[in-house]
Amino acid sequence: TQLLEQSPQFLSIQEGENLTVYCNSSSVFSSLQWYRQEPGEGPVLLVTVVTGGEVKKLKRLTFQFGDARKDSSLHITAAQPGDTGLYLCAGDYGTGTASKLTFGTGTRLQVTL
Amino acid sequence: NAGVTQTPKFQVLKTGQSMTLQCAQDMNHEYMSWYRQDPGMGLRLIHYSVGAGITDQGEVPNGYNVSRSTTEDFPLRLLSAAPSQTSVYFCASSYSGITFTDTQYFGPGTRLTVL
Repeated sequence: TQLLEQSPQFLSIQEGENLTVYCNSSSVFSSLQWYRQEPGEGPVLLVTVVTGGEVKKLKRLTFQFGDARKDSSLHITAAQPGDTGLYLCAGDYGTGTASKLTFGTGTRLQVTL
Repeated sequence: NAGVTQTPKFQVLKTGQSMTLQCAQDMNHEYMSWYRQDPGMGLRLIHYSVGAGITDQGEVPNGYNVSRSTTEDFPLRLLSAAPSQTSVYFCASSYSGITFTDTQYFGPGTRLTVL
């Protein structure tokens, strides 16, 4: 079983602050995704990164895939209360005709005014 | 276009009872899957299907059965519920199961409590 570790588990910050969430694995992934989940809802895909060293930006969110494709980070600039939620990384270790996602344990972010 | 729908939203069972969690999608997606989400453990894959008539086990399949008779529906059956199956269950679908460059869409979840 592949393991994805996320850190920190919990993060409480004030509006306007910057933060970084980390996702680490001992295995190489063919791709990695980041999701945000709000209470009572299913996860919603934010981004997929495929190439080692890849950087993607989504407004104030910057996602990076490690060169060795074993780790990733999510950086939020000038956090807003609307960023509050559970952030999940998920790695694809597809081994054949179908891929399977392994999810990290999540980082719960709270942004206060 | 309703996306991925799940029913029921909440369910309470007694140990030993059986039930079926329903999942449907109207996006003509080939790949569908079931996850359970427990505190501190993220989402874990239970079963998945790459198309009608084809299913396979994920990371935690014990105690669960699935079938895929149509492209649209992918029900999850609990044959004899146990307290360890108390969890939130999510169904998801994507266009293709070959790689996850396709967007995976999740349903709103079913919160199951087994007493």
